[in-house]
This record gives sequence, C-alpha cells and structure tokens, in this order.
Amino acid sequence: DAGVTQSPTHLIKTRGQQVTLRCSPISGHKSVSWYQQVLGQGPQFIFQYYEKEERGRGNFPDRFSARQFPNYSSELNVNALLLGDSALYLCASRKDRGTQHFGDGTRLSIL
Amino acid sequence: AQSVTQPDIHITVSEGASLELRCNYSYGATPYLFWYVQSPGQGLQLLLKYFSGDTLVQGIKGFEAEFKRSQSSFNLRKPSVHWSDAAEYFCAVGAREETSYDKVIFGPGTSLSVIP
Repeated sequence: DAGVTQSPTHLIKTRGQQVTLRCSPISGHKSVSWYQQVLGQGPQFIFQYYEKEERGRGNFPDRFSARQFPNYSSELNVNALLLGDSALYLCASRKDRGTQHFGDGTRLSIL
Repeated sequence: AQSVTQPDIHITVSEGASLELRCNYSYGATPYLFWYVQSPGQGLQLLLKYFSGDTLVQGIKGFEAEFKRSQSSFNLRKPSVHWSDAAEYFCAVGAREETSYDKVIFGPGTSLSVIP
C-alpha cells in the first residue's frame, strides 16, 4: 500500500500570496492531521480532521484553514503568507487510535 | 497543558557505543508517548509507542524506551549505535481524552551524530 502522499514537495511563494497544500492518506485511514515544522524545531499541531469534520485545532491564526474530502484526502490553505510561514508542512493519517503515519512533507519557502 | 522537553539539543556518539536520549513530559494523566526519527528532508518515522501495560517498550531498528511515571520520563535507548542512526529524534505526547482526537505535542528534538 502507498504511504501518505503530499504535494507539492517544494513550493516558493511571496509574502501576501495564498497557498494550498494537498495530502492523500493511506487507504482506509479516515483521520488526517496537519503539522508545521519550522527549521530546527519539532512539528507543531495545526489541524485534525476525522470523517470530514474538524476535530482539533492548534494555536494558529485564522489565515490557516483546512478541509477533508469524501475520499478522506485533505487540503491545507494558508492566506496572506508571512515570512514566518516558511516551514515543512507535514500531513499524517491514522486508522487506529494513536498511531499516525507521516508523509514526507511540503517544503514551503516564502520570499 | 501538555509539554515535552528534550534536554539534549545535540549528541555525538561513536559507532558501536550505547545511546540514551532523554525525554520528559508534562501531562495531567497517563499520556500516549511516542518516539519518532526524521532523516534530512524526510517525514517522521515512528520508532515506538507506549499506550499502556509493560513500561519497557521495544521498537524498530533495535530501539527501546522505558516509561517512568514517577519521573515523567520516556527515555530512548539503543545498545549499539550504527552510522545509519544519525538523524533527528523527536519525543511526543498524545492526548487520551477523546478516541477521535489526535493532538500530539512534539519535543524540540535531539540531533544525533555518529562518528566512525
């Protein structure tokens, strides 16, 4: 089975732009979570979606939003990009309680 | 509030030597505990996890970790390090309250270098 896939792998944007990142979970996994990992730090929780509903939100501004589709894939949207949004964005999916499987991430650079 | 500390930012060990990476957490009840490894430019790979039961947990690649409730610690160990173990290691704590809620708090990470 394929693992968690994220696209694109790399992305360069300028301040003020908007970006959409995509995630396809492992087949059969209904939960998707998003994390932001700034260089040199651990990942920080942004959102969790389960059965297409938001189940959790971390301490991120409203510029960050997400959704989950009927096929359980997910998109993370970030509006009005700031330099500080430069990071690796990780998606994780799970089927059973507590065991998350991570994708390789999308590296977002803001100029 | 949940939090995770990893006191060692960077550790260097010789190949074949033993390894212990420290992790302390703050949580109101018994949490779920995890260790992940991240190679440069890649995502996170789960090494092992503790949910309940035996406090000594065996993981992949010869790693093990011990949950010590009295010390709020979950230290990762390996008896003999291989050069391929060089990577970033993250300890993480997860919430137990809701079966469908997966908020996981990660520590800042420990960078491991292995010298021949």
